[in-house]
Amino acid sequence: DTGVSQDPRHKITKRGQNVTFRCDPISEHNRLYWYRQTLGQGPEFLTYFQNEAQLEKSRLLSDRFSAERPKGSFSTLEIQRTEQGDSAMYLCASSLEEVRNTEAFFGQGTRLTVV
Amino acid sequence: DQQVKQNSPSLSVQEGRISILNCDYTNSMFDYFLWYKKYPAEGPTFLISISSIKDKNEDGRFTVFLNKSAKHLSLHIVPSQPGDSAVYFCAARDSQGNLIFGKGTKLSVKP
Repeated sequence: DTGVSQDPRHKITKRGQNVTFRCDPISEHNRLYWYRQTLGQGPEFLTYFQNEAQLEKSRLLSDRFSAERPKGSFSTLEIQRTEQGDSAMYLCASSLEEVRNTEAFFGQGTRLTVV
Repeated sequence: DQQVKQNSPSLSVQEGRISILNCDYTNSMFDYFLWYKKYPAEGPTFLISISSIKDKNEDGRFTVFLNKSAKHLSLHIVPSQPGDSAVYFCAARDSQGNLIFGKGTKLSVKP
């Protein structure tokens, strides 16, 4: 296993278009997180899954955002009707939640630019 | 309101000297703290962590100190190397197991 994988690495889209990002976590990890990072900020929590169940959503996750993890493995994050303010780095992380005090491993992120 | 604060946006240190990065938090329920390192165009990489039941954890050149009464932690890097130049994020784990991040401190280690 090579770690958390995100695809694509970069995405440029026109305002109003829909985009979808994919995250493949470390295979034995049951928890998967999505974060967003903008310039000068730390990663901001968006949502997380425990296996296939989406357990928490941040208020940052507007109705235009939807995340799925249908089989408890990979996850997708879709943004509908993109806006320029959605331009950011979208980070996925995974962890093994049976081990309480353990770090989350991050992917390399998907950089979204909305023009 | 930010629960995890890194009040120094940047820090410049000479190679071979000690780098000290600071972090403050407001929620006394946080029980696990982590430091991540981030290079441009990459995701954060885990560096070192500490449980709230400890006050120090050391791993090679990296040591994290936790002062629970002050709600303060710090990362010491000694000796600092040019390859340590990156943005360092402090993070705290909340009761849901999610990580709350600070805004980061950009460390520059000059040869």
